[in-house]
Amino acid sequence: DAGVIQSPRHEVTEMGQEVTLRCKPISGHDYLFWYRQTMMRGLELLIYFNNNVPIDDSGMPEDRFSAKMPNASFSTLKIQPSEPRDSAVYFCASSLAGAGAKGPANYGYTFGSGTRLTVV
Amino acid sequence: AQTVTQSQPEMSVQEAETVTLSCTYDTSESDYYLFWYKQPPSRQMILVIRQEAYKQQNATENRFSVNFQKAAKSFSLKISDSQLGDAAMYFCAYTGGFKTIFGAGTRLFVKA
Repeated sequence: DAGVIQSPRHEVTEMGQEVTLRCKPISGHDYLFWYRQTMMRGLELLIYFNNNVPIDDSGMPEDRFSAKMPNASFSTLKIQPSEPRDSAVYFCASSLAGAGAKGPANYGYTFGSGTRLTVV
Repeated sequence: AQTVTQSQPEMSVQEAETVTLSCTYDTSESDYYLFWYKQPPSRQMILVIRQEAYKQQNATENRFSVNFQKAAKSFSLKISDSQLGDAAMYFCAYTGGFKTIFGAGTRLFVKA
């Protein structure tokens, strides 16, 4: 397996533009997570899915952020309109909970390489 | 609420020497998991080692081992025979139920 694949690796956009980040999780993993990493706030969980269904989006900062997972092999995180404070590295991660697991990440995450977003 | 604290923002080690990175956490749960992740300059976070709280035996993965002290809520990472490729940010993480908490990270420098 090629691991979790994210695109693009870098994105520079102007304030007010729409940005779409993409993620392909590891085949067979039943959970998918979107994280944001900044120097000030560290790693923040934005949203996670179980079997393509959004479970917890309480970390999504505001309505400008939305995420979808139309099938088991693809997810998007969209920011519309983008603002300079959205500049960060966005990570997608997937996990396999396993039979009897009490939570989605007990075996750890497999992260993608991240997308560095710069909004100017 | 659960917290994870990494008190060492930076650490430095000589190549081939041993270094220990500290992590403490706070929780009222009895069943949880602890992890160390490595984030090299390439940016991708890589799982280094995993510890189950109900197991007393310390986890080991090649040159990486942990010292898990459940009563003290301490979970340190020992890197033996340090290599230049070990230079990275290291994050301690706690997972209990449906929540994962990451520490702020420790940047490890390896001197040749």
